[in-house]
Amino acid sequence: ETGVTQTPRHLVMGMTNKKSLKCEQHLGHNAMYWYKQSAKKPLELMFVYSLEERVENNSVPSRFSPECPNSSHLFLHLHTLQPEDSALYLCASSQDPDGLTGELFFGEGSRLTVL
Amino acid sequence: AQKITQTQPGMFVQEKEAVTLDCTYDTSDPSYGLFWYKQPSSGEMIFLIYQGSYDQQNATEGRYSLNFQKARKSANLVISASQLGDSAMYFCAMSSIQGAQKLVFGQGTRLTINP
Repeated sequence: ETGVTQTPRHLVMGMTNKKSLKCEQHLGHNAMYWYKQSAKKPLELMFVYSLEERVENNSVPSRFSPECPNSSHLFLHLHTLQPEDSALYLCASSQDPDGLTGELFFGEGSRLTVL
Repeated sequence: AQKITQTQPGMFVQEKEAVTLDCTYDTSDPSYGLFWYKQPSSGEMIFLIYQGSYDQQNATEGRYSLNFQKARKSANLVISASQLGDSAMYFCAMSSIQGAQKLVFGQGTRLTINP
């Protein structure tokens, strides 16, 4: 079992749908992240939660809504998305949210396609 | 603002040869960290190696070493004795001491190992 698990692995949705991505980490970490990976673009940080509080929101559109109910779970709620939101959404966790040396542990991602 | 540049979109190498993946960075922070991640076709980002800006020696992890040249602002990844399983996307990333762990990623290099 991987340390960070994401579901679903693949999701196809229409622009009017509401869906959620789920991330669970089994590593005892205290920080979790959502990244967006689009084709031919660097990974983009979307949200950071440290000790279940949001500490970073990189000007992400409101159609993306994160939720962190506890230190092990992270959700990304999706509604009225656009086709350009189609991407691989990666969840990550770390134990060192304020330092330089804490590596990130990533899940395998959720591949989202918006029709 | 921090920036990571990977100028090699793709690299093709014969099995068992060594390979160097280029990475240059730009930052005004006095302290920073440099990372390399591997992303196989499964999508998961796998941490490979870390170099702190004040580390005197180049980091090494098994077959991976990081050629850190601070004056040139470069942090190239060297893979010795390449294997077929090394075929993947490779991302260079940088962290800042400011706030939560926020990695800035380069655009990646696709490495293909030929038998």
